[in-house]
Amino acid sequence: RKEVEQDPGPFNVPEGATVAFNCTYSNSASQSFFWYRQDCRKEPKLLMSVYSSGNEDGRFTAQLNRASQYISLLIRDSKLSDSATYLCVVNRPGGSYIPTFGRGTSLIVHP
Amino acid sequence: NAGVTQTPKFQVLKTGQSMTLQCAQDMNHNSMYWYRQDPGMGLRLIYYSASEGTTDKGEVPNGYNVSRLNKREFSLRLESAAPSQTSVYFCASINMGQTNEKLFFGSGTQLSVL
Repeated sequence: RKEVEQDPGPFNVPEGATVAFNCTYSNSASQSFFWYRQDCRKEPKLLMSVYSSGNEDGRFTAQLNRASQYISLLIRDSKLSDSATYLCVVNRPGGSYIPTFGRGTSLIVHP
Repeated sequence: NAGVTQTPKFQVLKTGQSMTLQCAQDMNHNSMYWYRQDPGMGLRLIYYSASEGTTDKGEVPNGYNVSRLNKREFSLRLESAAPSQTSVYFCASINMGQTNEKLFFGSGTQLSVL
C-alpha cells in the first residue's frame, strides 16, 4: 500500500458545483497534513494545512479523520480557475521532516 | 526575495552524459529536498538534506548524488544519465521549527534523456 493515496480523477464538474476529494495515508503516526495545488506541471503551492479540528479558508474546507486515516478537501461554488491538480501531502513521522506526496487529483471545472 | 532558484529550466541529455541541477534558497531554510515528477506518479523524493552538512536518501535515489554545499545550496547530480531519468525535477526547502510548515518550490527543471 502506498504511503499516501489519492484518486487521480479527473473530476469534471460544472461551475458552481461542490466537489470533494479524499486522500488516505498508511502511517497512523503521521502528524502533519496539507493540500497543495499544482497548475500545468508548474511548481506545487500550498493551498492549506489540515488541522485536527478541521479548517476553512473561503470556499475551501479541509478535514482530518485520524480514525480512518484520511484527509479531505471540499471546494464549494467551483470556479473555472479552480481547475488544477490537488496534491495531498503527509509528513512522514520520524526525526526528519519528510513530506510525502500523493499522486494528485485532477479537477476540471467547465462552464 | 527570490525564494528558491532552480537551474536550468530545460535540459536535453544523451544517454551516459552527466549534469548537475542547481538549487539555491535565500530564506535561511534548514531543510532542502529534491523531487522528481513523472506523469501519473506524483512527486517522489530523491534525496533530502535536513540541515547543512547532512544528506539522506529518499524513495528513488538510484542514479543520483547530491551535495549540500552550504545552507543555501543543494545540488543534484546525474553521473550517467539514463532515459528512465527523463522527468520534471523540483527542488524545495522548508524552515523546520515554524508552526506553519510550508514547502517552497523552485520552478522546476524539465529533463529529457535521449
